[in-house]
Amino acid sequence: GEDVEQSLFLSVREGDSSVINCTYTDSSSTYLYWYKQEPGAGLQLLTYIFSNMDMKQDQRLTVLLNKKDKHLSLRIADTQTGDSAIYFCAESNPGGGADGLTFGKGTHLIIQP
Amino acid sequence: EPEVTQTPSHQVTQMGQEVILRCVPISNHLYFYWYRQILGQKVEFLVSFYNNEISEKSEIFDDQFSVERPDGSNFTLKIRSTKLEDSAMYFCASKGRTGNTEAFFGQGTRLTVV
Repeated sequence: GEDVEQSLFLSVREGDSSVINCTYTDSSSTYLYWYKQEPGAGLQLLTYIFSNMDMKQDQRLTVLLNKKDKHLSLRIADTQTGDSAIYFCAESNPGGGADGLTFGKGTHLIIQP
Repeated sequence: EPEVTQTPSHQVTQMGQEVILRCVPISNHLYFYWYRQILGQKVEFLVSFYNNEISEKSEIFDDQFSVERPDGSNFTLKIRSTKLEDSAMYFCASKGRTGNTEAFFGQGTRLTVV
């Protein structure tokens, strides 16, 4: 079945770039997503990438997709204290119209002053 | 901005009791979902719902669980005879259409079974 793996923690200094990595197993995934969860809050979609793309940039966020290695990354430029959160990688389940998402365990991004 | 709302934010229930978690999806959305997140673990897909019926469900979604859209605005998850291991954060989500459109998530309901 589908599986999505992420490292659990990432610590960066304020102002540096953060790179959060994710690997997935299902080669037929059509869309891959990054969600952000702040303490006590729900899941907020940050960005997504279609599987036929290899890069997508949106302001401070850059998503890189290596489909051959089934590797997805999220780069946050100029990391700020407000970026402190858990970041979830997710893939869409192919087939059918319901397309629920398969999530990773989430990466806790810790910002050091 | 439209949002998905869930109530209650926190529910404590005794083992063996039934609970109903409520969600109000975004009004013109057609696809509805429940997910759960056990503390420290992954967000797991439970069920999707479209056109007044279940479209897809995971292995977790057994006979203990049921979903309903009773009145065209609410979307509920019922858990019969709750177990300690049902303690988790339950997220509702909705989408306007299938494909790449954003799934909007609610704030979640923290269910604690004691």
